[in-house]
Amino acid sequence: DSGVTQTPKHLITATGQRVTLRCSPRSGDLSVYWYQQSLDQGLQFLIQYYNGEERAKGNILERFSAQQFPDLHSELNLSSLELGDSALYFCASSYEGGSNQPQHFGDGTRLSIL
Amino acid sequence: LAKTTQPISMDSYEGQEVNITCSHNNIATNDYITWYQQFPSQGPRFIIQGYKTKVTNEVASLFIPADRKSSTLSLPRVSLSDTAVYYCLVFNTGRRALTFGSGTRLQVQP
Repeated sequence: DSGVTQTPKHLITATGQRVTLRCSPRSGDLSVYWYQQSLDQGLQFLIQYYNGEERAKGNILERFSAQQFPDLHSELNLSSLELGDSALYFCASSYEGGSNQPQHFGDGTRLSIL
Repeated sequence: LAKTTQPISMDSYEGQEVNITCSHNNIATNDYITWYQQFPSQGPRFIIQGYKTKVTNEVASLFIPADRKSSTLSLPRVSLSDTAVYYCLVFNTGRRALTFGSGTRLQVQP
């Protein structure tokens, strides 16, 4: 158990809809990362937060947004959903978000767009 | 932004040593190299991390040559349970750059 909690585990919705994925980081960790993994594909970095502030941005679409709240949990919002957004979405956390600190991953939210 | 390249797949037998190499030709001075293991439908799990030379822990070793343009994850005496996908990550906080490799699918046979 990594200590990172993601909810929900599964989400099924339709094109054009909006969903929110939630992540609670490991106790004591201040930084949160979001990744997208499409079927049999690698991990695509979306965005990183540290103590509520955006720290790094990857290939995140404009239809996607995220934030980290004062209690350090994070939410990833996906809107105007398309079939291609179907994927596993992972959240990871680390202590201070430094490059020399391992990331601890949750088990992901599987998003299916019908 | 560092670009990473890994072999798509590798095969091995139980008890053998497996070496997986990741190329990161344009790695920057402050980039760290980290390796993760991922099983199907699970989140990646940290294996080992290094900056230069050699790092060893209870499950693996990581070799990084002086030019740091590649790194090799070494798994001693693999077992069937090591069948997984292995990813290298190059990360530089200062440049706000984070790049995962495409992953190497390791299949261990009995």
